[in-house]
Amino acid sequence: NAGVTQTPKFQVLKTGQSMTLQCAQDMNHNSMYWYRQDPGMGLRLIYYSASEGTTDKGEVPNGYNVSRLNKREFSLRLESAAPSQTSVYFCASSEAQRGGYGYTFGSGTRLTVV
Amino acid sequence: AQSVTQLDSQVPVFEEAPVELRCNYSSSVSVYLFWYVQYPNQGLQLLLKYLSGSTLVESINGFEAEFNKSQTSFHLRKPSVHISDTAEYFCAVLNSGGSNYKLTFGKGTLLTVNP
Repeated sequence: NAGVTQTPKFQVLKTGQSMTLQCAQDMNHNSMYWYRQDPGMGLRLIYYSASEGTTDKGEVPNGYNVSRLNKREFSLRLESAAPSQTSVYFCASSEAQRGGYGYTFGSGTRLTVV
Repeated sequence: AQSVTQLDSQVPVFEEAPVELRCNYSSSVSVYLFWYVQYPNQGLQLLLKYLSGSTLVESINGFEAEFNKSQTSFHLRKPSVHISDTAEYFCAVLNSGGSNYKLTFGKGTLLTVNP
């Protein structure tokens, strides 16, 4: 089925470890986004990529890096994980006007940093 | 910059009762408005949206929302809820004149429908 695929679904890291969250979409969307979701905080934008070859910081970029590998893939990297990064991470894609401005979300990665 | 305020963090209701989930936004420019729903342990799904035209928009499962520009609100309503409507609902706003199409979300309202 068409959509946004995130891997892994669950991950436990030790403080200081690094990891990359993977996201791929097969809808030929130009824009991709990474959000984190924390209880009572809603979704906060970490980084986004308006189009292939561009990335920009969102609301909470500290401690993260991203790579827009190609039009399909947008990865999020934690270089040195901290307990404050324990969260559920969602990747999303959109096609602006052609797509009615709605986002398609992945099913999320639940990350625990101990 | 735009912001979204969801006035209730939790709304418990009984099955078949009406419900309203409140959303107010703040923006200095024209906006598009959205409601997303998140069922337990799932990602977010688009429920309905307002881009232009009729200020009353509807979803396929009986929800509706009305854009009120003067009150900067986009409240979500359903006349009779089901157990299956239990979920978290997020209101979101997008700057219609921007070029990066970033959604700003509210903090969410947990709707719990009890039998």
